[in-house]
Amino acid sequence: EPEVTQTPSHQVTQMGQEVILRCVPISNHLYFYWYRQILGQKVEFLVSFYNNEISEKSEIFDDQFSVERPDGSNFTLKIRSTKLEDSAMYFCASSVMVGATGELFFGEGSRLTVL
Amino acid sequence: DQQVKQNSPSLSVQEGRISILNCDYTNSMFDYFLWYKKYPAEGPTFLISISSIKDKNEDGRFTVFLNKSAKHLSLHIVPSQPGDSAVYFCAASAYGSARQLTFGSGTQLTVLP
Repeated sequence: EPEVTQTPSHQVTQMGQEVILRCVPISNHLYFYWYRQILGQKVEFLVSFYNNEISEKSEIFDDQFSVERPDGSNFTLKIRSTKLEDSAMYFCASSVMVGATGELFFGEGSRLTVL
Repeated sequence: DQQVKQNSPSLSVQEGRISILNCDYTNSMFDYFLWYKKYPAEGPTFLISISSIKDKNEDGRFTVFLNKSAKHLSLHIVPSQPGDSAVYFCAASAYGSARQLTFGSGTQLTVLP
């Protein structure tokens, strides 16, 4: 069964460092997303990406964050200068449908710990 | 921001009985609702969804009911199995939001053998 894969599974970094989280969405999917879950809190939407550009982003997704699809398979989330409050589980997701319906398939997540 | 609320953080049910998980929402723009299941150290897994034009959707042991006037939905699992033990998240989406899901806080379901 096709799945969304994420690397690394866990990254520890110092505050102020740049971090890149990588995702390989399901191959025929058109929409790509990043969500995050801070420990003990809700899963929160960060950004959606379609046709090589950001479709929507939340208030969390400020100038420190960026996304890129550098080739035909990878989808990355970059945090330019990490803060302590960026520590969370980051989930990549993809979906095939264009429009309001269509389920999201999530990866297993990348745990980011900022010290 | 409490647009999607799951007021029960946990629920325990005997194997073979019905599990009912509840979810309330406040945003009238939401028109598509989903339930996800999550095991520890894994990403959320899609279970079932419902559009606002329907009031019920069924898939095997899982049924989702939507009451638009009450802004309430529920997930029924019948019969419950020990493998159903997980955190269940309710999520909602509004048309044109490019799948921007708003999640509830989750309900930990424990199915006792």
